[in-house]
Amino acid sequence: QVQLQESGPGLVKPSETLSLTCTVSGDSIKSHYWNWIRQPPGKGLEWIGYMFDSRSPSYNPSLRSRVTISIDTSKNQFSLKLTSVTAADTAVYYCAREGIVAAASLDYWGQGTLVTVSS
Amino acid sequence: DIQMTQSPSSVSASVGDRVTITCRASQGLGSWVAWYQQKPGEAPKLLIYAVSNLQSGVPSRFSGSGSGTDFTLTISSLQPEDFAIYYCQQANGFPYTFGQGTKLEIK
Repeated sequence: QVQLQESGPGLVKPSETLSLTCTVSGDSIKSHYWNWIRQPPGKGLEWIGYMFDSRSPSYNPSLRSRVTISIDTSKNQFSLKLTSVTAADTAVYYCAREGIVAAASLDYWGQGTLVTVSS
Repeated sequence: DIQMTQSPSSVSASVGDRVTITCRASQGLGSWVAWYQQKPGEAPKLLIYAVSNLQSGVPSRFSGSGSGTDFTLTISSLQPEDFAIYYCQQANGFPYTFGQGTKLEIK
C-alpha cells in the first residue's frame, strides 16, 4: 500500500526558508514523478513542481526563483525548499505521486501539513 | 498558464440527484484532465484521470467526459458521502493547473 507522509516545521518566520520532506512507503521513489502542491487556507490548489529520479525538476514559474525540489533515493524521500517566505506562503503543503496507469494525475497524496509563516 | 474555470462555483443538490460540473480550459487540451474530490481536512482524492477513466475503487456513479476546452464530471445519483469540493486539473502544459473548485452542498 502506497503511503506518503509530509514532515517539517509548522511555523516559519518571514524571509526564512520553508523545508519539508515527504517519505514514501510501499513504492520506489525511482518509479514515478513526485509532486508538491499547496493550498492556502480556504482556497484552491496550486501546483508547486515535480521531480523524477535524477532528472531535472519542473517548477511552477510563479515560484521558480524560490523553490527547490530534490530526491533522496537512499531514504525513499523527496523534499521541498521554498526560500524568502512571506505570509502568502502560508498553506497546507501536500506531496503527491503522479500515476503511471493514472497518467498525468495525482493518484496518491500525503495527508498534508500546515505551514504558517509568521514572526 | 492554462486557466481552468469551473462552473458552477457551488451547487446545492439532494441525495439521488444527478449533478454535472463543468471545467473550461483557456486553450485546447489533449487527454490529460483529471478530477478530484476533497472533503474538509482531507487531501484531494483522485476520481477520474485522462478525461474519462475511473480511478480504481471509485464508484461507477462518477463519470468524466469532454474534449478540446470543455470537460465535465457527472455524478449520476448523489450519495450522502459525495458532498464535498471538486477540482479539475490539467496536465497538458506546464505548470499543471487546477480549477478553482466547485462546492457541492446538500439542499
